[in-house]
Amino acid sequence: RKEVEQDPGPFNVPEGATVAFNCTYSNSASQSFFWYRQDCRKEPKLLMSVYSSGNEDGRFTAQLNRASQYISLLIRDSKLSDSATYLCVVSEWGAAGNKLTFGGGTRVLVKP
Amino acid sequence: DVKVTQSSRYLVKRTGEKVFLECVQDMDHENMFWYRQDPGLGLRLIYFSYDVKMKEKGDIPEGYSVSREKKERFSLILESASTNQTSMYLCASRLSTLRGQGDTGELFFGEGSRLTVL
Repeated sequence: RKEVEQDPGPFNVPEGATVAFNCTYSNSASQSFFWYRQDCRKEPKLLMSVYSSGNEDGRFTAQLNRASQYISLLIRDSKLSDSATYLCVVSEWGAAGNKLTFGGGTRVLVKP
Repeated sequence: DVKVTQSSRYLVKRTGEKVFLECVQDMDHENMFWYRQDPGLGLRLIYFSYDVKMKEKGDIPEGYSVSREKKERFSLILESASTNQTSMYLCASRLSTLRGQGDTGELFFGEGSRLTVL
C-alpha cells in the first residue's frame, strides 16, 4: 500500500461547480499535511496547509480526519484557472529528520 | 521571492553517459532535495541534504549520487545513465525545521529538468 494515495482523476468539473477529493495516508504518526498545486509542465507550489480544525482560504477548504487518516480539499465556484493537478503532502519525523511524502496527485479539469 | 534554479530544462543523453544536474537556491535554505516525477508514480525523493557536505538517501537513491559543497548548490549525478532514468527531475529547497516547531511544509521547487536517456 502506498504511503499517500490519491484518486488520479481527472475530475471534470463545470465552471462554477464544487469539487472535492480526498487523500489517504497510512502512517498514523504523520504530523503535518499540505496541499500543493501543479500546473501542466510547471513545478509544484504550496496551495495551503491543512490544520486539525479545518481551514479555508477563499474558495478552497481543507479538512483533516485523523481517525480515518485522510485529508480533503474542496473547491467552490470552480474557475477555469483551477485546472491543475493537486498534490497531497504528508509530513512526519523520521530518523533523518522531517520527511515529506507526496501523493500521486489528483487532476482537475474545469470546463466552460 | 525564493528562487530555485535548475541548470538545464531539457537534456538528451545516451545510455552510459555521466549526467550532472545542477540546482542553485538564493534564499540561504539549509535543506535541499532532489525528486523525480513520473506519471502514475508522483514525486519520489532521490536524495536530500540538511547541510553543506551532508547527504541522506531518499526512497530511490539507486543509480544516483549527490554533491553539496556549498550551501546554495545541490547537484545530482547519474554516473552511468540508463533508459529507466528518463524522467522529470525536480530540485527543491526549504528552511530547516526543528522537531516541535511549526512545519510550514513549504518546499520551493525549481522548474524541473526533463531528462531523456536514449
